[in-house]
Amino acid sequence: NAGVMQNPRHLVRRRGQEARLRCSPMKGHSHVYWYRQLPEEGLKFMVYLQKENIIDESGMPKERFSAEFPKEGPSILRIQQVVRGDSAAYFCASSRDSGAHFRLFGPGTRLTVL
Amino acid sequence: AQKVTQAQTEISVVEKEDVTLDCVYETRDTTYYLFWYKQPPSGELVFLIRRNSFDEQNEISGRYSWNFQKSTSSFNFTITASQVVDSAVYFCALSENLEYGNKLVFGAGTILRVKS
Repeated sequence: NAGVMQNPRHLVRRRGQEARLRCSPMKGHSHVYWYRQLPEEGLKFMVYLQKENIIDESGMPKERFSAEFPKEGPSILRIQQVVRGDSAAYFCASSRDSGAHFRLFGPGTRLTVL
Repeated sequence: AQKVTQAQTEISVVEKEDVTLDCVYETRDTTYYLFWYKQPPSGELVFLIRRNSFDEQNEISGRYSWNFQKSTSSFNFTITASQVVDSAVYFCALSENLEYGNKLVFGAGTILRVKS
């Protein structure tokens, strides 16, 4: 049973481009959490989604960032018009129900903005 | 508001030494959960332990042990007889409960370097 999958593992974008990060939860999991790890910092919560619903986006920057988790397919974290400050590692975690997402994180996507 | 403080930014030890990583937390809730994660140089996040606020019993798992002290709001992590493979960033985290939508609040991490 594959764990949480994230792709790409590494993504390089130039300033002003768009970045799309994908998270495929474990089979049977319908809850996804996204976290961001800025250089030399701990992870910070961004958004919590269930299938087709955003439940909590209190950690999302107000502009340029959006997330979705469609009925079919992976969850997508989208960053428009990237800036150098967006360079970070983005992790997602999934769970079968609302609580226990702490146990298994994906390997992360490392975004570098040139 | 929840907060996790890992005051030690970086620790260096020589192999076989014991090392303790400190974690102090703040929360207003009486029900909460504490976690430790390891992030090796490869970058993935590895779950190590979860402890709930009602269980103050210390835990030992091989060379790892955890000391939970509610009176001082601390949840410290000790590695006995450290090894080079223990070199990583270690994060302490807090969640007020594991109910609907509760997120993890992470400390800034402690870099552990174990030298041979």
